[in-house]
Formats: sequence, C-alpha cells, structure tokens
Amino acid sequence: QKEVEQNSGPLSVPEGAIASLNCTYSDRGSQSFFWYRQYSGKSPELIMFIYSNGDKEDGRFTAQLNKASQYVSLLIRDSQPSDSATYLCAVTSSGGSYIPTFGRGTSLIVHP
Amino acid sequence: DTEVTQTPKHLVMGMTNKKSLKCEQHMGHRAMYWYKQKAKKPPELMFVYSYEKLSINESVPSRFSPECPNSSLLNLHLHALQPEDSALYLCASSQVADRGTYGYTFGSGTRLTVV
Repeated sequence: QKEVEQNSGPLSVPEGAIASLNCTYSDRGSQSFFWYRQYSGKSPELIMFIYSNGDKEDGRFTAQLNKASQYVSLLIRDSQPSDSATYLCAVTSSGGSYIPTFGRGTSLIVHP
Repeated sequence: DTEVTQTPKHLVMGMTNKKSLKCEQHMGHRAMYWYKQKAKKPPELMFVYSYEKLSINESVPSRFSPECPNSSLLNLHLHALQPEDSALYLCASSQVADRGTYGYTFGSGTRLTVV
C-alpha cells in the first residue's frame, strides 16, 4: 500500500511569516511530486511539481525534495491571508503508473 | 486555453433520475480523469481515459458510467444514485509523458446532491 502522509493541521501562521508544509511517502521508488492548493468549496489547483532532489522555487513558493528521507515539503514565504487553503501533496510512484496518490491535505490558516 | 470546463456546477437529483456530467478541455491533453471528493477528504480516483480509451476503473459501481466521445470531451452518466454518492465530482486532464504527468489541471467541479 503506497501511502502519502500529511499533518491535517490546521497550521496557523501570522501574515508575512514562512509557512512550512510537509509530506512523507512510503514508496522509495516514487518519481514525481506535486503540490495542489484547494480553497474551501473549490477544486484543487496545481502550484508546484518537483522531480529531482533539492529545491525548486517559483515566486513565493519553494518545493524541497529529499528522496533519501522520503519527504517533500512546500515553503510559502511572506504568507498572505489569501494563502489560507488546504494543501494537497500528491506522489506518483514507480512501476509505470502515472496516477498519483494524494495525501489527506494540510489546512493552512494565515492570520492578519 | 488552459482550462477544464465542467457542467453543470451544481446538480440535485433524485435516486431514480438519470443525469450526465460533462467535461471539456482544449489543451491537447490525452489523459482525462474523473475524481470524487467528499468534504475534508482527498480526491478519490474513479476513472482514467488515456487516448480516449478507458484505462482504469477503480471498481466504481455501475450506476456511474463514463464516456469519452473524443479527445476533448469526457462525460459521466449517472443513474439510480444513492444519497451517499453526494460529493464534489472533479474532472481533470494531463499531458502524458515518459516519467508520468506534469500534474493535473482540474475543472471547477460539479457539486452533486442526491435526494
């Protein structure tokens, strides 16, 4: 059973702070890693994907991948109240399937 | 065009009704998906179409019937649903590459209520 684990939260951070969201996965052969943002009552939106160990930056967002430790994280710098949402981690494993396994999501609250 | 369009946005149906959900994309994506999402849960895969052929059916009850008329359209036909089928139904599409996909583009979803 391939598992993707996230702390459900909520994670509460003040406006302007760095929010750090973490995700661990069980399949050591996992290849592709995605972060989706989902506002309440809305559909998920892809915000980052990462394939290789290390950091990938896109604006205020940084994805960090450590395959040896089997975790992927998302950092949000200068957090804004508009970042308040549930963040879903998704992992595509080895074996030729391109269907990701989703984590349960972490609820982030950015308070003014 | 970078959107996946789903209709209707809201649907209320009785347990004896037949209805259809529609999904359309014009991004040239060759994989399309139906997901079901309950409140505070992650999306749950129902069906996958790859190059217009059904490639994955996650043991979904036969009261849900998918159809892919062409590379841009995906339908989900609903019949004799149960109240527990009430959920947000999400359509998604993706490119298919050697190492997998580059992630999904989700539609805005159809909020289905079965009464």
